[in-house]
Amino acid sequence: EAGVTQFPSHSVIEKGQTVTLRCDPISGHDNLYWYRRVMGKEIKFLLHFVKESKQDESGMPNNRFLAERTGGTYSTLKVQPAELEDSGVYFCASSQGNLNEQFFGPGTRLTVL
Amino acid sequence: GEDVEQSLFLSVREGDSSVINCTYTDSSSTYLYWYKQEPGAGLQLLTYIFSNMDMKQDQRLTVLLNKKDKHLSLRIADTQTGDSAIYFCAEMGGTALIFGKGTTLSVSS
Repeated sequence: EAGVTQFPSHSVIEKGQTVTLRCDPISGHDNLYWYRRVMGKEIKFLLHFVKESKQDESGMPNNRFLAERTGGTYSTLKVQPAELEDSGVYFCASSQGNLNEQFFGPGTRLTVL
Repeated sequence: GEDVEQSLFLSVREGDSSVINCTYTDSSSTYLYWYKQEPGAGLQLLTYIFSNMDMKQDQRLTVLLNKKDKHLSLRIADTQTGDSAIYFCAEMGGTALIFGKGTTLSVSS
């Protein structure tokens, strides 16, 4: 069974540009989460989808971040326009039920110059 | 607020035991977790403990939970060089995980 995959693995962009990160959860997992780790800090929750609906987006830092999960399968996280402080590793996770194990992808390392 | 605290670095020699400590603040957490991140890889769930347990052992791993002090620890017996990684303590806040900053474990031979 394929795990959670994320694309790209690395992205280097300039301040003001747009970047779109993609996450493919484990097939059949209704729950999809986005987390972010800024250098040296905690891994912070961004948002949670149940199927195609946003269940909780309380961790989204500001309106420059837009997450979608059309059709309830893969998800995208777009940052527009990117700022220096957006640099970090963006993790995606999926799970079958609310308290079940969350399976993490390898993350996308975003560097904003 | 909810904060998970853990020390940032731990260095041990191969064959020794490693103990990674963590404190959390949300006493209502049902589960507490330890995740491992190897270089270039995602987060892997190592083990978890239910909040009504004091201890859980799984091969070389022992998790101790002190609910009164909100203290969680992970002991790795006979630490190997392959155990070198970042270890994250986490609790469940609602449906999302709340992580500490991670402890980098360095194992020297």
